[in-house]
Amino acid sequence: ETGVTQSPTHLIKTRGQQVTLRCSSQSGHNTVSWYQQALGQGPQFIFQYYREEENGRGNFPPRFSGLQFPNYSSELNVNALELDDSALYLCASSFDRGQESPLHFGNGTRLTVT
Amino acid sequence: AQSVSQHNHHVILSEAASLELGCNYSYGGTVNLFWYVQYPGQHLQLLLKYFSGDPLVKGIKGFEAEFIKSKFSFNLRKPSVQWSDTAEYFCAVIGTGGFKTIFGAGTRLFVKA
Repeated sequence: ETGVTQSPTHLIKTRGQQVTLRCSSQSGHNTVSWYQQALGQGPQFIFQYYREEENGRGNFPPRFSGLQFPNYSSELNVNALELDDSALYLCASSFDRGQESPLHFGNGTRLTVT
Repeated sequence: AQSVSQHNHHVILSEAASLELGCNYSYGGTVNLFWYVQYPGQHLQLLLKYFSGDPLVKGIKGFEAEFIKSKFSFNLRKPSVQWSDTAEYFCAVIGTGGFKTIFGAGTRLFVKA
């Protein structure tokens, strides 16, 4: 089975710019969750998409937005980048949106904002 | 607020030593619990999970975890660690009916050969 793939692997942006991160979910999975992992911390939930609809959101401002496509791949968009947005962004897919579906993670995108 | 606390940020052990990593959670309801592991250069992957039933759950590579409801704990154990267990370990919780998996800050384990 094909695992979760994320692109790009690394990205450097300037404060105020916009960025789009991409994720292909694992085969057979219809749910994608995005996480932000700052250095030395655990992953922090940004939002989840289930069958192309936002299914829930964490404590992130509206400049963090997303999409899920009919093939269940997903994008994370961040507008007006701030220095504190520098982090590893993780995408995780799951078989379903329920609590009994473990997350399958990609390798992440390392975003640096200067 | 929902949260997960991992007691140790860094642990160093010699091969064959026993391992116990602490995890406590704060959540006002029924939960599902997970341990995820990230080996060097690899992605986060599931080590084991608890949904219901026997509170002692076994995962891959000889790991096990015990859910103690009264203590809101889900500690990870392994009787004898190997050098290949060097990794970062994350405890995580999700509430019944929830959509958000909450992670602890992680514990970096280094096993000396």
